[in-house]
Amino acid sequence: KAGVTQTPRYLIKTRGQQVTLSCSPISGHRSVSWYQQTPGQGLQFLFEYFSETQRNKGNFPGRFSGRQFSNSRSEMNVSTLELGDSALYLCASRSGQGGEKLFFGSGTQLSVL
Amino acid sequence: GEDVEQSLFLSVREGDSSVINCTYTDSSSTYLYWYKQEPGAGLQLLTYIFSNMDMKQDQRLTVLLNKKDKHLSLRIADTQTGDSAIYFCAESKEYGNKLVFGAGTILRVKS
Repeated sequence: KAGVTQTPRYLIKTRGQQVTLSCSPISGHRSVSWYQQTPGQGLQFLFEYFSETQRNKGNFPGRFSGRQFSNSRSEMNVSTLELGDSALYLCASRSGQGGEKLFFGSGTQLSVL
Repeated sequence: GEDVEQSLFLSVREGDSSVINCTYTDSSSTYLYWYKQEPGAGLQLLTYIFSNMDMKQDQRLTVLLNKKDKHLSLRIADTQTGDSAIYFCAESKEYGNKLVFGAGTILRVKS
């Protein structure tokens, strides 16, 4: 079974631009979560989607948004990029049916110049 | 409030046991997790424990949970150089949802 797939692996943007990151969950998993990892703040929860609905949201500004498609694939969007948005963005999936195991992808490394 | 704390660094010799410690503050946590991260990679789920358990063993890994003290530990037996990585402790109030992570413990294994 393929794991969680994230694309692209690396991304370089400039301040003020917007970016879209993509995540394909493990086959059969209906829940997708996004996390931000930075050296200063560590790993922080962004949001979770289940069956195309956002179920939980972390403490991030509205510039961070996401969506989930009917095939459970998810995208995360960050608008008006700031230097502080430079981070490793990790996507994770779980079955969603009492699925306590959360499996992570390799992440998208975003650099904002 | 939610807070997870870990020691920052641990150095052991190959073949020794490693013990990585973690404390958490949220008594309503249901699941506690250990993840491993190697350089340039995502997080690998090592093991997890439900909050009503005291111990869980999985091959070389042993997780001990002291609910009274809100203390979690991960013991790696016969530590190998390939175990060198950052280990994250995390808690969740709901099955695998909205994990709160510690800052990570860097494990260095000397041959």
